[in-house]
Amino acid sequence: EVQLVESGGGLVQPGGSLRLSCEASGFTFSTYWMKWVRQAPGKGLEWVANIKQDGSERYYVDSVKGRFTISRDNAKNSLYLQMNSLTAEDTAVYFCTRGLYSNTYWGQGTLVTVSS
Amino acid sequence: QSALTQPPSASGSPGQSVTISCTGTSSDVGGYNYVSWYQQHPGKAPKLMIYEVSKRPSGVPDRFSGSKSGNTASLTVSGLQTEDEADYYCSSYAGGNSLFGGGTKLTVL
Repeated sequence: EVQLVESGGGLVQPGGSLRLSCEASGFTFSTYWMKWVRQAPGKGLEWVANIKQDGSERYYVDSVKGRFTISRDNAKNSLYLQMNSLTAEDTAVYFCTRGLYSNTYWGQGTLVTVSS
Repeated sequence: QSALTQPPSASGSPGQSVTISCTGTSSDVGGYNYVSWYQQHPGKAPKLMIYEVSKRPSGVPDRFSGSKSGNTASLTVSGLQTEDEADYYCSSYAGGNSLFGGGTKLTVL
């Protein structure tokens, strides 16, 4: 059974940093593109970042470029999102999901709240 | 990286059909056959309903169908059922990037 389990969310002050993790199981992690998607409270889905199977290609939404870094450790079946210089606009549930063109499997999400 | 455009709301009575549009550009929706649609109920993760414009994953009722013309994709839900009431999001590949629409709240009257 495919499972994606996010962790690392929490309350952080503006300007602070947080590292999200997503542990994958039930499939060969190293053969799939992975993606982070977020959803602000009461708002729609927003794509955040994509990463290729070997990490050689990474793409970001403009609003996080230079602040967020997507990475992966295929030996640990894990996906990461390093988030720096956080602002209130980054407050959201962050989902990890498998695939580039479409996304069948999603985690349950982890809530990031940026507030003083 | 502008979001795809969806109507904020749609509605229909049980048994009726409703179509939700998703408008992008030639750099995303119009440029690739990688449009997907997601259903999301409150507090839940999104569920894939349509991929590659018109394909249905296993387990998704054939009441759900997708199409595309130019820069606009569409999701049609036929034979509306009360459990179809949810938020629906389109998404498109955009040359390495991904895009989502703003979402459409479907109400079954």
